[in-house]
Amino acid sequence: GNSVTQMEGPVTLSEEAFLTINCTYTATGYPSLFWYVQYPGEGLQLLLKATKADDKGSNKGFEATYRKETTSFHLEKGSVQVSDSAVYFCALGGTSYGKLTFGQGTILTVHP
Amino acid sequence: EAQVTQNPRYLITVTGKKLTVTCSQNMNHEYMSWYRQDPGLGLRQIYYSMNVEVTDKGDVPEGYKVSRKEKRNFPLILESPSPNQTSLYFCASSLLAGGWTDTQYFGPGTRLTVL
Repeated sequence: GNSVTQMEGPVTLSEEAFLTINCTYTATGYPSLFWYVQYPGEGLQLLLKATKADDKGSNKGFEATYRKETTSFHLEKGSVQVSDSAVYFCALGGTSYGKLTFGQGTILTVHP
Repeated sequence: EAQVTQNPRYLITVTGKKLTVTCSQNMNHEYMSWYRQDPGLGLRQIYYSMNVEVTDKGDVPEGYKVSRKEKRNFPLILESPSPNQTSLYFCASSLLAGGWTDTQYFGPGTRLTVL
C-alpha cells in the first residue's frame, strides 16, 4: 500500500538557519505530493504541491522537488523565521479517490 | 470567506454517549472527508464522500458513521464512543472527487476526549 515517511522530529533551529525536512514515499502509479502546515491551534493548510516528477512546488520561501528516482519530496527553506514554527506534514494523493496519505508530521520550532 | 467549519471545537464525553460532530463548507465542493490525527501516526482517513448520498469507508472507519444529505454538510457520528476514539478530528473538502492535484481544505479541528 501507499505510505509516507518523514524525518524524525522535533526539529529546533535558530532564526535564519537553513531547514530541510526529509520525506520519502512508497506508492503505485503516479501520485501527487503535498506539504501541509499546521500552525498551533489551527487546521492544516496547503503549503505547496507537485503533481509530476521533477516538478518543484514553492510557496512562502519553502521549496520541494518531486524526485521519482529517489521517491522523495524533501522540504527546504533557506532562512527560517520564528513564524515558521509549526507542524509540517508530507502527504501523497491521487492513488485513491481524494484520499491523502500523510506522514507522521514533523514539529519545527524556530528560536529568535 | 471560503472555509470549512466544525463544531464543537472541544468535546469531553463519556463512553457510550452518542455524539455528532458537524462539518460544513461554503465552497460548493463535491468531495468531503473526515480524518483523525494521533501522535506519531499523522492523519488517517475515516470516511469520505464524493457527492450527496455517496459515502465510503476510509482506512479507519470502525466505530464511526457519516451521512451526506446536503452538499455542504458532512457530519461525523459516534454512536457509542469509546476511549480509543479520543483524538483530534479534521473535516476536509475539495472541489472535485478524484482530482489528483486537488487541494484539500481543512477545518480547524475538533478535539474529542472520551472518558
